Amino acid sequence: RKEVEQDPGPFNVPEGATVAFNCTYSNSASQSFFWYRQDCRKEPKLLMSVYSSGNEDGRFTAQLNRASQYISLLIRDSKLSDSATYLCVVSLSGYALNFGKGTSLLVTP
Amino acid sequence: SAVISQKPSRDICQRGTSLTIQCQVDSQVTMMFWYRQQPGQSLTLIATANQGSEATYESGFVIDKFPISRPNLTFSTLTVSNMSPEDSSIYLCSVESQGEQSGNTIYFGEGSWLTVV
Repeated sequence: RKEVEQDPGPFNVPEGATVAFNCTYSNSASQSFFWYRQDCRKEPKLLMSVYSSGNEDGRFTAQLNRASQYISLLIRDSKLSDSATYLCVVSLSGYALNFGKGTSLLVTP
Repeated sequence: SAVISQKPSRDICQRGTSLTIQCQVDSQVTMMFWYRQQPGQSLTLIATANQGSEATYESGFVIDKFPISRPNLTFSTLTVSNMSPEDSSIYLCSVESQGEQSGNTIYFGEGSWLTVV
């Protein structure tokens, strides 16, 4: 079983739609959780950290469910510029990041 | 945040040759890492580049294939040795630095796109 699993998509949604991605992780001792965004042929960039209490940054909301070992990312009012691959990242400790393969999102006009 | 520059940004190499990728950071950082992202795959950590000592390699990666240098706190190199087409990948340098959000964050360079023919 992979350490971090995501639905690869692609998710095709119209502008303005709300879309949600889930990610599951296998190691219950994982400590830190993140969502990164990777545009085509670019490096990953941190979108947001995921906190136990859940956190929101503008149109983006991240949730963590430790009991079920999954993380979610909700994007409201999708923009064309949101089209990218979203990487779920889990860290057991320190700097050892485990990346999911990513979920592709395409927002269409 | 940290600004990370990688060179070369892309290259096409003959099998059997070696390529050295450079990573320069605009500030001193303790932790530097090298990742690989093969086509359609997730990022995989190759090694942690330690300043003044040998790099720490992850399972499946060895020093003979991926020698790493870290002469100071702002610079590191990764060499991909004796390349084969299977080494075609994006190689990413990353550092841990103070993030815009609370706590430290991992930042990535723009990557070096390597194609081995």
